[in-house]
Amino acid sequence: QQQVKQSPQSLIVQKGGISIINCAYENTAFDYFPWYQQFPGKGPALLIAIRPDVSEKKEGRFTISFNKSAKQFSLHIMDSQPGDSATYFCAASIILTGGGNKLTFGTGTQLKVEL
Amino acid sequence: GAVVSQHPSWVICKSGTSVKIECRSLDFQATTMFWYRQFPKQSLMLMATSNEGSKATYEQGVEKDKFLINHASLTLSTLTVTSAHPEDSSFYICSARVLGRTGEAFFGQGTRLTVV
Repeated sequence: QQQVKQSPQSLIVQKGGISIINCAYENTAFDYFPWYQQFPGKGPALLIAIRPDVSEKKEGRFTISFNKSAKQFSLHIMDSQPGDSATYFCAASIILTGGGNKLTFGTGTQLKVEL
Repeated sequence: GAVVSQHPSWVICKSGTSVKIECRSLDFQATTMFWYRQFPKQSLMLMATSNEGSKATYEQGVEKDKFLINHASLTLSTLTVTSAHPEDSSFYICSARVLGRTGEAFFGQGTRLTVV
């Protein structure tokens, strides 16, 4: 089974704090790990992604940490802002030959950043 | 980033009618598009993979005669919900993978379908 487990289900962080969301996967064939941000009534938006050949990727306030041996990866949101309040999904996929790319999504984390 | 446009953003239809949802890649070509269904406060559930010029591949448990998918060009895929019933009410989202950029998939804004 291709599964991606995500935690926590919900998270409340104070403005300026660090939000951390964790994901774990089982299939070692996964080779692409994106994070998506979704606001209510909208489609998911690609936030940041990483491949297993690096252990960390940073883009602005968002950082992915990747631990290949533990089959875990996490999203860190530094200096969290109320505008970051949204649902975050981790995902994983295998880059199939022929161009297919089925994303397996985590269960989602509802983040609320309070003033 | 690449833009995926989904239309309509919301639709209300009567039981027994059919509804068509369009998914367009505006500034790139997409050989593969994906259709998802999302229930409130839940994750995205992949319904089918749409391949340009060939039949769609449906996930287990998804009725292919109920959810008709057509991918007629490299920029357009359509999902038709046939003979819709209230239990088909949901948020439907498409995504497209950028040709030549392995891995990255971009999502449409979603379509809220309400069947009354």
